[in-house]
Amino acid sequence: GQNIDQPTEMTATEGAIVQINCTYQTSGFNGLFWYQQHAGEAPTFLSYNVLDGLEEKGRFSSFLSRSKGYSYLLLKELQMKDSASYLCAVRDITDYKLSFGAGTTVTVRA
Amino acid sequence: DGGITQSPKYLFRKEGQNVTLSCEQNLNHDAMYWYRQDPGQGLRLIYYSQIVNDFQKGDIAEGYSVSREKKESFPLTVTSAQKNPTAFYLCASNRDRRNTEAFFGQGTRLTVV
Repeated sequence: GQNIDQPTEMTATEGAIVQINCTYQTSGFNGLFWYQQHAGEAPTFLSYNVLDGLEEKGRFSSFLSRSKGYSYLLLKELQMKDSASYLCAVRDITDYKLSFGAGTTVTVRA
Repeated sequence: DGGITQSPKYLFRKEGQNVTLSCEQNLNHDAMYWYRQDPGQGLRLIYYSQIVNDFQKGDIAEGYSVSREKKESFPLTVTSAQKNPTAFYLCASNRDRRNTEAFFGQGTRLTVV
């Protein structure tokens, strides 16, 4: 199975940078996903990492270290609309099982 | 347009009744998933399927049932055995293990009264 841990809440100021950490344990790793979810809505895809290193996509970047079972999502130049829950998910290589962490609620303040 | 569709968006049922939530995708994806989300919490996996006519229990399968008779459809039945069925239910699909994104439907909010 997979144990996925991420902080419950984070607060940051508009224009600043926030880093959301995710640690996981899995028997067969086949990729780590980050999703954004606004209240009452479905999650939307942000990033995917399967190899070690940094993936950059505009203001958002995601990093993976498979040996450490660790990832982070970096949000730069924060905007008010970035206030949301950010979900870390890990996929298992044997059966496609996709498991999510409990999510990190990010609040952006003016 | 290709996508994943859940219906209905809102559903009300009386306690003790079974209810089936629909999930259809036209993305030709092999894998499909059902999650439950309670207020302020993350997604918990109910059932998943990686191929037609096959599915596996997730972490909270008790009180739920599924079928995968067609590749594009993965309905979830919430049975009367589910003790606390009121929640937001999300369906997702993924092409295969090489695919880099899992797509979500818009969710069904089930309220049992």
